[in-house]
Amino acid sequence: DQQVKQNSPSLSVQEGRISILNCDYTNSMFDYFLWYKKYPAEGPTFLISISSIKDKNEDGRFTVFLNKSAKHLSLHIVPSQPGDSAVYFCAASGDNKFYFGSGTKLNVKP
Amino acid sequence: GAGVSQTPSNKVTEKGKYVELRCDPISGHTALYWYRQSLGQGPEFLIYFQGTGAADDSGLPNDRFFAVRPEGSVSTLKIQRTERGDSAVYLCASSAGTGAPQYFGPGTRLTVT
Repeated sequence: DQQVKQNSPSLSVQEGRISILNCDYTNSMFDYFLWYKKYPAEGPTFLISISSIKDKNEDGRFTVFLNKSAKHLSLHIVPSQPGDSAVYFCAASGDNKFYFGSGTKLNVKP
Repeated sequence: GAGVSQTPSNKVTEKGKYVELRCDPISGHTALYWYRQSLGQGPEFLIYFQGTGAADDSGLPNDRFFAVRPEGSVSTLKIQRTERGDSAVYLCASSAGTGAPQYFGPGTRLTVT
């Protein structure tokens, strides 16, 4: 049974607008959450992370929000750029093992 | 600095054969992870090393799969008697320790015919 879910397989956004990618998890023991970006034929690239003691972490155009009561996290990208087009995976960890969602393919249109 | 590297990048083998997949982690990273990724899915945990020892191998699907990290650096994932269902991209990642982000290699695409 999947412990981390990304229910939107794809998202299309206009350049300059905000992209919001969502992720839900089921295990309340998870205490560390990450977002990865993946281009075809490459391994996932670490983007941003957040610890469960925080509810927001910002790094440039990327912000991750964590809602522990809802077991939900989201990644906001603003402004979106065409180079952001990729598959985004969320991941959660609580025991040194990392559980990944199935990914959301983001397409940023020029 | 150098990232995580994996060799080979592609491996085609016949059903029943033995394969070895190699991972060179980032220098100084003590933790090393192996994942398997099938089409349309996220990486699926296989095994995690802290130093030379396998700290958690609960993700290995069966006893045909085995991994080693004898000197605490390079790791090899070994698959015996390969089956067509083993076809996937095998990803390796390393991190500086617990609570630190993982950095992935480019993966090895294994195809079992």
